Amino acid sequence: GAGVSQSPRYKVAKRGQDVALRCDPISGHVSLFWYQQALGQGPEFLTYFQNEAQLDKSGLPSDRFFAERPEGSVSTLKIQRTQQEDSAVYLCASSLMGLNNQPQHFGDGTRLSIL
Amino acid sequence: TQLLEQSPQFLSIQEGENLTVYCNSSSVFSSLQWYRQEPGEGPVLLVTVVTGGEVKKLKRLTFQFGDARKDSSLHITAAQPGDTGLYLCAGFEVDSSYKLIFGSGTRLLVRP
Repeated sequence: GAGVSQSPRYKVAKRGQDVALRCDPISGHVSLFWYQQALGQGPEFLTYFQNEAQLDKSGLPSDRFFAERPEGSVSTLKIQRTQQEDSAVYLCASSLMGLNNQPQHFGDGTRLSIL
Repeated sequence: TQLLEQSPQFLSIQEGENLTVYCNSSSVFSSLQWYRQEPGEGPVLLVTVVTGGEVKKLKRLTFQFGDARKDSSLHITAAQPGDTGLYLCAGFEVDSSYKLIFGSGTRLLVRP
């Protein structure tokens, strides 16, 4: 389909390993968002891109989290030296321009489990 | 910090009953959205309310934005098993054009 695509859908890693999560936004969408959703909670904002520029990374929990969108399309969220508290669903969303009068379209997320 | 409080957290009702879910904050929001999320999927936008006091209807779902733009409610009439899911409210604070703040969600189960 033409929706937001995330991969992998599931990722299991041992504590201390690095992981990389991928997001393919809807074609032509300028804005891209990453959210973290812990079990039983609503999503929490991590970071925001407009094209290739990362305009807001205030929600990243620590300097172990890094996100990039080098060509203004596909984005990767990288987590270094993973900890058990990093276990969550990581959601990606895109919107046409990122303004609050435009909907954010969500992918189905990557469920990350840290053992 | 959860700026948006949703209640109840869990709701289990019989098919055909009515229900209301509440979303409250001490902050003012420029707009507020309601999403529905099913297991293993991302949230899907149901509605956006922008004006204080606004009421929007989507089939059996009625959404209301509080006059002061600090709270909202979702009312479902004659609930059906297909309404089962996680309902999330989310808002844009007045000083942000892109940063969505989500509530903790209301998990609804409609029993046949």
